Amino acid sequence: QLLLQESGPGVVKPSETLSLICTVSGGSIYDINYYWGWIRQPPGKGLEWIGSVYYTGGTYYNPSLKSRITISVDTSKNQFFLSLTSVTAADTAVYYCARDEPTGNWFDPWGQGTLVTVSS
Amino acid sequence: SYELTQPLSVSVALGQTARITCGGDNIGDKNVHWYQQKPGQAPVLVIYRDINRPSGIPERFSGSNSGNTATLTVSRAQAGDEADYYCQVWDSSTGVFGTGTKVTVL
Repeated sequence: QLLLQESGPGVVKPSETLSLICTVSGGSIYDINYYWGWIRQPPGKGLEWIGSVYYTGGTYYNPSLKSRITISVDTSKNQFFLSLTSVTAADTAVYYCARDEPTGNWFDPWGQGTLVTVSS
Repeated sequence: SYELTQPLSVSVALGQTARITCGGDNIGDKNVHWYQQKPGQAPVLVIYRDINRPSGIPERFSGSNSGNTATLTVSRAQAGDEADYYCQVWDSSTGVFGTGTKVTVL
C-alpha cells in the first residue's frame, strides 16, 4: 500500500522560506508512470494545487506561485520536497503531498497533511 | 485562468440521491476528477476521468460530464457520505480545483 507522509516545521516566520518533505513508502518514487504533487488548503477554504515533480526532476508549477516555489526530488531517499519563499500569512495552510497520475492528472493517494502557520 | 464553480452546499435525505455539479467552460472536453474530504482528513479520490471509480469506492458514487457541467451523483446517501466534495481538472499544464460543496445528509 502506497503511503505518503509530510514533515516539516509547523511555524514559519513572515518573509522566511517554508520547507517541507514528503516521504513515500510502500512504493518507489522512481516510477516512470507518475508525478508527485503538492496541494495546500488554507483553514476553512478550498484546495489549491501548488506543483508537481517527476523522478527526473522535471516540474510543473502553479503560475500564481511559480516565482516563489521550488519542488525537487531525491530518489535515493524516496522523498520529494517543497520550498516556498517569502511567505506571508496568506501561505498559512494544511500542505498535502500526493501522487499525480499524469495521463489524466488526478491525485491519489494523499498524505495526511501538515499544518504550516506563518507567524512571527 | 480556468475556473470551476460548485454550489456551496447540497442537502440530501438519508437514502436519497445527491447530485453535485461542477461548472466550467467546455468542461465536457476535459477529464474531471472528484474528491471527498471529511472533517480533519485528507481528500480521497472517489471518481477519476469523469466516470471511473477507484478500487474501494462504492458503486453508489458515479460521475458524468458533458457540455459545461460535470456531475457527481451519490445514490442511496448514507450518513458517512456527509463531507466536502471537490471537482478537479487539468488545464494548460495547471491543476485546478473547484470551489467545493458541503454535502449534508438529513
